[in-house]
Amino acid sequence: ELKVEQNPLFLSMQEGKNYTIYCNYSTTSDRLYWYRQDPGKSLESLFVLLSNGAVKQEGRLMASLDTKARLSTLHITAAVHDLSATYFCAVGVLGGSNYKLTFGKGTLLTVNP
Amino acid sequence: DVKVTQSSRYLVKRTGEKVFLECVQDMDHENMFWYRQDPGLGLRLIYFSYDVKMKEKGDIPEGYSVSREKKERFSLILESASTNQTSMYLCASSLSPRNTEAFFGQGTRLTVV
Repeated sequence: ELKVEQNPLFLSMQEGKNYTIYCNYSTTSDRLYWYRQDPGKSLESLFVLLSNGAVKQEGRLMASLDTKARLSTLHITAAVHDLSATYFCAVGVLGGSNYKLTFGKGTLLTVNP
Repeated sequence: DVKVTQSSRYLVKRTGEKVFLECVQDMDHENMFWYRQDPGLGLRLIYFSYDVKMKEKGDIPEGYSVSREKKERFSLILESASTNQTSMYLCASSLSPRNTEAFFGQGTRLTVV
């Protein structure tokens, strides 16, 4: 059974600081996704990582994938309050002819002034 | 933009009632999913469907069934609602079996009393 572990689960940081969220998974996969969820809202797709070494950047967020280490990271640069949200990683694994997504438990990020 | 619409934002139902949660997507996606989200547990897959009238069990199908009579619509059915089914339910769709970037609806918060 695929296990997806995010850490930390809770992250409180100050504006202007840098930090990294980690997503480890237990079985071979070549596709990983990062989502953002604001309180009371649904999930919004942030990044799609489809190969080993993939790196994507959007604003102050950068995601990378190392399929050999079964690890993805979401790096936050110079955090601002607007980045406060819950961030989920999701791993795609082929089961039969279909891929199934398994989500981590999420990282609740709070950026303080 | 992909739009995934869930029929209700909030529902309150009584124990033992049959409950229908409806989801419609407008982008001709083949795959559709139902997740439930609970604090500390992240998102867990209940059922998914990769074609009309096709369905597969996810990780926690007990107490639920689904229906997909048309490509754009995927319904989640609670045959006899129980209090432990109080949760946030999220519907998602993705383009094809091998394109797993999932787009989410706004969620339905179901309370069973």
